[in-house]
Amino acid sequence: GEDVEQSLFLSVREGDSSVINCTYTDSSSTYLYWYKQEPGAGLQLLTYIFSNMDMKQDQRLTVLLNKKDKHLSLRIADTQTGDSAIYFCAESIRSTDKLIFGTGTRLQVFP
Amino acid sequence: DAGVTQSPTHLIKTRGQQVTLRCSPKSGHDTVSWYQQALGQGPQFIFQYYEEEERQRGNFPDRFSGHQFPNYSSELNVNALWLGDSALYLCASSYFERDSYEQYFGPGTRLTVT
Repeated sequence: GEDVEQSLFLSVREGDSSVINCTYTDSSSTYLYWYKQEPGAGLQLLTYIFSNMDMKQDQRLTVLLNKKDKHLSLRIADTQTGDSAIYFCAESIRSTDKLIFGTGTRLQVFP
Repeated sequence: DAGVTQSPTHLIKTRGQQVTLRCSPKSGHDTVSWYQQALGQGPQFIFQYYEEEERQRGNFPDRFSGHQFPNYSSELNVNALWLGDSALYLCASSYFERDSYEQYFGPGTRLTVT
């Protein structure tokens, strides 16, 4: 089946690290993504990871994939107020296929 | 290089009416996907168009239909609008043949049905 779950809310202090978690059910998912959505805006692709990878780092972002547990996480180092947004985890079987999104995690960064 | 553009930005319709939303893909992209995002939810896949044909479809009724034009732009049509159709409609484009993993999203059209 297709199901992607995320915790609804995360609050962190500016300068700390944020970790947003996601679980998915489709073991045939090949591509896993993290998107960011700011209020009233569309989706911005932050990063992605292929299912044959365990980790990917891209500047302040680190993605960890535990394929056995179907668990994906996004770590944001040195979180800034500009990182406040909703973060969506998404999966697809092939790169050109439909994206299955989670319900989103609202990240609030306070000074 | 313009990214994905959508029009209109906002739209208010009455129950039972019909609506058409438009999307222009990012330059060089040939595939357009449409998503519905209800308030507080993640986007839900409606359908995808490639080579002017519907390639994939999500779990949406036939009231939702679409079209892709030779220039790769696309329209989403919704007939007999329900209150529950109120949502942000997002368009995403990608390049099918290159196996590109990136789908670029437009800013969306906010549809309100009263």
